[in-house]
Amino acid sequence: RKEVEQDPGPFNVPEGATVAFNCTYSNSASQSFFWYRQDCRKEPKLLMSVYSSGNEDGRFTAQLNRASQYISLLIRDSKLSDSATYLCVVKRRSQFYFGTGTSLTVIP
Amino acid sequence: DAGVIQSPRHEVTEMGQEVTLRCKPISGHDYLFWYRQTMMRGLELLIYFNNNVPIDDSGMPEDRFSAKMPNASFSTLKIQPSEPRDSAVYFCASSSHGQGGANVLTFGAGSRLTVL
Repeated sequence: RKEVEQDPGPFNVPEGATVAFNCTYSNSASQSFFWYRQDCRKEPKLLMSVYSSGNEDGRFTAQLNRASQYISLLIRDSKLSDSATYLCVVKRRSQFYFGTGTSLTVIP
Repeated sequence: DAGVIQSPRHEVTEMGQEVTLRCKPISGHDYLFWYRQTMMRGLELLIYFNNNVPIDDSGMPEDRFSAKMPNASFSTLKIQPSEPRDSAVYFCASSSHGQGGANVLTFGAGSRLTVL
């Protein structure tokens, strides 16, 4: 079983839409959680860390449910510039485990 | 901070040639990771180091791959001999896990390898 599972999409949404990505992880001992963003032909970059209490950064909201081993990312008021692949990342001990990524295209 | 620096950014070589990829981690980071990314397999961890010591190399595909970290500011990933199936983007990333560390993984821009 994979450490981190994501719906690969693709998600094609109009500008201004709200879109949600989900991710599950298999090991309950996982300690830290993140969403990364990867643009085409670029490196992954940290979008935000994810905390049990939930956290928000502008139009982006991340949630963690430890009981269900489930992580989510909500993007409100989508912009064209949000088009990218979003990677769910889980850290356990020293290692980072990546989902395969969810592709988002925001359409004018 | 200059971030994680990788070289070369692009490498095109012929099958059988030796390839050396280089990485300079962020100063003060005690962990360094080498990843490979392809469309088919996504992002795969090859090997990681802690304080210059290799901790887990189980992701290294075969003996043709080797990695070293002679000091805290430099690491290499070598492929000898290279094969067309090694064509991929190779990312180096570093992080700091100690007390006060950001606990976040920062990637270099990657080295895009094409083996003909």
